[in-house]
Amino acid sequence: DAGVTQSPTHLIKTRGQQVTLRCSPKSGHDTVSWYQQALGQGPQFIFQYYEEEERQRGNFPDRFSGHQFPNYSSELNVNALLLGDSALYLCASSLGTGNQETQYFGPGTRLLVL
Amino acid sequence: SQQGEEDPQALSIQEGENATMNCSYKTSINNLQWYRQNSGRGLVHLILIRSNEREKHSGRLRVTLDTSKKSSSLLITASRAADTASYFCATNIAGYSTLTFGKGTMLLVSP
Repeated sequence: DAGVTQSPTHLIKTRGQQVTLRCSPKSGHDTVSWYQQALGQGPQFIFQYYEEEERQRGNFPDRFSGHQFPNYSSELNVNALLLGDSALYLCASSLGTGNQETQYFGPGTRLLVL
Repeated sequence: SQQGEEDPQALSIQEGENATMNCSYKTSINNLQWYRQNSGRGLVHLILIRSNEREKHSGRLRVTLDTSKKSSSLLITASRAADTASYFCATNIAGYSTLTFGKGTMLLVSP
């Protein structure tokens, strides 16, 4: 049973560039959530996708956007990168958007913005 | 913003000892979950406790929830060096399926 996978594992970009991160949910899951974890902090919710639509969004600017595909995989796009966007980006999957569902996390993509 | 606040920020113990971590939160919740993270990698789900539950066990883990005090504790019994990691509490708030995390407790278990 494949767990949540993310690619790439590491990424280095320069300020002003754009980046795309990818996530494949755990088999059988249809909901994907993205989190940003700065060094020494807990993860912060970015947004959640279900049925190919953004269902909920955290306190992140419009530079952060996403997409969900018919096979439930998802992308996170960040435009006009800032130094402060350097972080570990975590993808989590679950079944449906019910609030008692456990979210399963992938290994993350570590983004460094120079 | 952080909903949960773990205490202590860091904990150092010897193998075989018990480790207790606490979490306080601010608003009413549907459930509270504990996660483990090794060396800045992905989060591993440990246990979920619902707002109408007071205590839950899973192997060497024991979680309590006191909704009147808006607090939870995670007890790891007979700790092992492999338990060395950061531990996060995450709350699920009514009306939302997403999680709000605290800053975590770093646990170091020495052989």
